[in-house]
Amino acid sequence: NAGVMQNPRHLVRRRGQEARLRCSPMKGHSHVYWYRQLPEEGLKFMVYLQKENIIDESGMPKERFSAEFPKEGPSILRIQQVVRGDSAAYFCASSPTFSGELFFGEGSRLTVL
Amino acid sequence: DAKTTQPPSMDCAEGRAANLPCNHSTISGNEYVYWYRQIHSQGPQYIIHGLKNNETNEMASLIITEDRKSSTLILPHATLRDTAVYYCIVNMGRETSGSRLTFGEGTQLTVNP
Repeated sequence: NAGVMQNPRHLVRRRGQEARLRCSPMKGHSHVYWYRQLPEEGLKFMVYLQKENIIDESGMPKERFSAEFPKEGPSILRIQQVVRGDSAAYFCASSPTFSGELFFGEGSRLTVL
Repeated sequence: DAKTTQPPSMDCAEGRAANLPCNHSTISGNEYVYWYRQIHSQGPQYIIHGLKNNETNEMASLIITEDRKSSTLILPHATLRDTAVYYCIVNMGRETSGSRLTFGEGTQLTVNP
């Protein structure tokens, strides 16, 4: 059973471009979480999704950021018009239930030039 | 979710037991104690969790005090690969909001040869 797969592992964007980060949860997991870790800082919750539904997006910036978890395919975190402050590691986690035992991917590292 | 307090750093000799403390004096009756670790810049890794009884798995043991206001994670025979930031998190998964884990500063455990 493969773990949580995130891609790309590294992404470089110029200011104003769009970044799309993908996350394939573990097989059988319908709960997906996105976290962000800024350089030298801790992990911060962004959004919690179940299949086709956003359950809690209280940690996600109101503008430029969006997330989806379609019925088919991976979860997508989309950042429009990136700025330098968006440079960070973005981690996805999945779980088969709403318990706190989450399985994290290796992260996608976004660098904005 | 209840707040946790951990020492910022600890050292341990290779092969010895590492005992990482955590205070969570405001924990409520239905909140679990979770431990995660993050090795360098990798994705966080779930270690163990418990409610009121002590727990043990292949990675570690979790000792929760009777009043549940503190706990200790024990790595019985620490190796150099256990060097990581260890996070103690109190959480109650909710069907309506999932398990939005709040990662604090954690404890940087350094295992020395």
